[in-house]
Amino acid sequence: QKEVEQNSGPLSVPEGAIASLNCTYSDRGSQSFFWYRQYSGKSPELIMSIYSNGDKEDGRFTAQLNKASQYVSLLIRDSQPSDSATYLCAVPLNQAGTALIFGKGTTLSVSS
Amino acid sequence: EAQVTQNPRYLITVTGKKLTVTCSQNMNHEYMSWYRQDPGLGLRQIYYSMNVEVTDKGDVPEGYKVSRKEKRNFPLILESPSPNQTSLYFCASSSGQGDVSPLHFGNGTRLTVT
Repeated sequence: QKEVEQNSGPLSVPEGAIASLNCTYSDRGSQSFFWYRQYSGKSPELIMSIYSNGDKEDGRFTAQLNKASQYVSLLIRDSQPSDSATYLCAVPLNQAGTALIFGKGTTLSVSS
Repeated sequence: EAQVTQNPRYLITVTGKKLTVTCSQNMNHEYMSWYRQDPGLGLRQIYYSMNVEVTDKGDVPEGYKVSRKEKRNFPLILESPSPNQTSLYFCASSSGQGDVSPLHFGNGTRLTVT
């Protein structure tokens, strides 16, 4: 059975700092990885996807993937209070990436 | 506006009283899923559907039923709800096309079973 592990946090960082969120996964055959952000009481929304080893940057967000170590991370540069949310790591159950297994999420708190 | 619509947003019911949570998407997506979210347990998949009349169990299917008679609708049925099904439920859909097929989530249904 596929598993996705995340530290639950809370992870607290000051405004302007870099927040680093980590995720490990059990299925060595996983090919795609997703980061979702969920504000309290709201539904999750996709913020990053990554398929190849290395880094992928999108604005203040950088996803890092190391398939050999079965490790994926999300860096948030210049953290803002509006980034305070729970971040969910997910890997697909099927090839299309439509049915996902989610980690339990890491709660990030950015203080101003 | 492209969206996934769940109803109701809040539901309080009693043990054993059958209920249905509706889910509809207007994006012509083939893939639809139901998740429940509980504190400390995260999001867990209940059922998913790859297309009309094609459904499959997720991680926690016990106590739930689904049907996919039309592409746009994917209702979640609790034939005999129990208190351990008190949870926040999300419906999601995806096109399943291309390298990135993000899940589009509905706004959630908070169910309380007493």
